[in-house]
Amino acid sequence: AQTVTQSQPEMSVQEAETVTLSCTYDTSESDYYLFWYKQPPSRQMILVIRQEAYKQQNATENRFSVNFQKAAKSFSLKISDSQLGDAAMYFCAYRSGERDDKIIFGKGTRLHILP
Amino acid sequence: DAGVIQSPRHEVTEMGQEVTLRCKPISGHNSLFWYRQTMMRGLELLIYFNNNVPIDDSGMPEDRFSAKMPNASFSTLKIQPSEPRDSAVYFCASSDRSNQPQHFGDGTRLSIL
Repeated sequence: AQTVTQSQPEMSVQEAETVTLSCTYDTSESDYYLFWYKQPPSRQMILVIRQEAYKQQNATENRFSVNFQKAAKSFSLKISDSQLGDAAMYFCAYRSGERDDKIIFGKGTRLHILP
Repeated sequence: DAGVIQSPRHEVTEMGQEVTLRCKPISGHNSLFWYRQTMMRGLELLIYFNNNVPIDDSGMPEDRFSAKMPNASFSTLKIQPSEPRDSAVYFCASSDRSNQPQHFGDGTRLSIL
């Protein structure tokens, strides 16, 4: 069975600095998709970024980028120029591309932005 | 696109009462998911449907919980009888093909007194 691990329950970063959130996963599949979701205090679950496993190029969305290391099964999220509005819980997630299946979420990392 | 619509947004009820949470997925999505989120346990998948058929309900905590999806545009999660430990935020999410992310509703905050 696939698993997703986020080893940092909480992190803090100074406003305008860069922070990296870690995520590792375990799978025997070769076709899959990875996502980062953000959950601010408003509790909405917002998709931040997605990565297809077959793509070598790391996905980027404005200040958000990933470091996808397929062999190491690592999928970290980098937030550049951190802003107060980035404060949230961040969830890493995995979805199989081989089966029409559920998404598996990590337990989340709470990110604090220090002014 | 209206997004995933959940109702009610908040529900406060007394222990022992029946609670029904509702979800309207995004039109055209064929998968629907119910989650529960608490501080202690985080985000838990309760059940999910593909093409209105329940695929995996192993996350449903006990027989007091039931979920239905009578058609492609509507699903319910029912708790009967409710207990204080059921207090949580319940999310519904939908997606289409497996290579697509899930889109979440705004959640229902449930408080059982």
